[in-house]
Amino acid sequence: GAVVSQHPSRVICKSGTSVKIECRSLDFQATTMFWYRQFPKQSLMLMATSNEGSKATYEQGVEKDKFLINHASLTLSTLTVTSAHPEDSSFYICSARAQGTDTQYFGPGTRLTVL
Amino acid sequence: GENVEQHPSTLSVQEGDSAVIKCTYSDSASNYFPWYKQELGKRPQLIIDIRSNVGEKKDQRIAVTLNKTAKHFSLHITETQPEDSAVYFCAATSLNTGNQFYFGTGTSLTVIP
Repeated sequence: GAVVSQHPSRVICKSGTSVKIECRSLDFQATTMFWYRQFPKQSLMLMATSNEGSKATYEQGVEKDKFLINHASLTLSTLTVTSAHPEDSSFYICSARAQGTDTQYFGPGTRLTVL
Repeated sequence: GENVEQHPSTLSVQEGDSAVIKCTYSDSASNYFPWYKQELGKRPQLIIDIRSNVGEKKDQRIAVTLNKTAKHFSLHITETQPEDSAVYFCAATSLNTGNQFYFGTGTSLTVIP
């Protein structure tokens, strides 16, 4: 149980394009999903917290207009990187948490490379 | 807010020896402390967790201890094996922080065969 999928696993795009990343909880309802960014050999940096049916809460320094988050259902959250630039290249990981629990289960991550 | 510190940043042990990773936290309201293992390019996997009403928890070769007074918790891996080589992250969270995790900076563990 507690499986989280993420799609795509890897994306390469040109500078200026937008990229959408999907995060799905496959066997449980995720009332809260989290989006992280991870640079090589570094820890997970929380970007935003997404609650189903409400606006995401962004961490300080994260541009909400650049990183659009939608949590339309209890099993799906999307992160759209708008007008991506090379500095947005990173490993993006989502996690999901079921209501009433503490544990976060992570997706496999998306490697974004912006040329 | 919460601040989690993790030590050491790198750790090398001989196969069969024990490994210990330590974390400290600052928010006394934190009440849940998970440990994740992340292999290169893969997702973090929960390996063990502990809640603030428990002082120690063990699962086969892995154990976690928590000292609430001192605000620190530790991961213990016994009889290490090469497949234990990975980066380990500790985290702390509480309802006060909306259950968001505050992660340590990670420990790269290498088990030498």
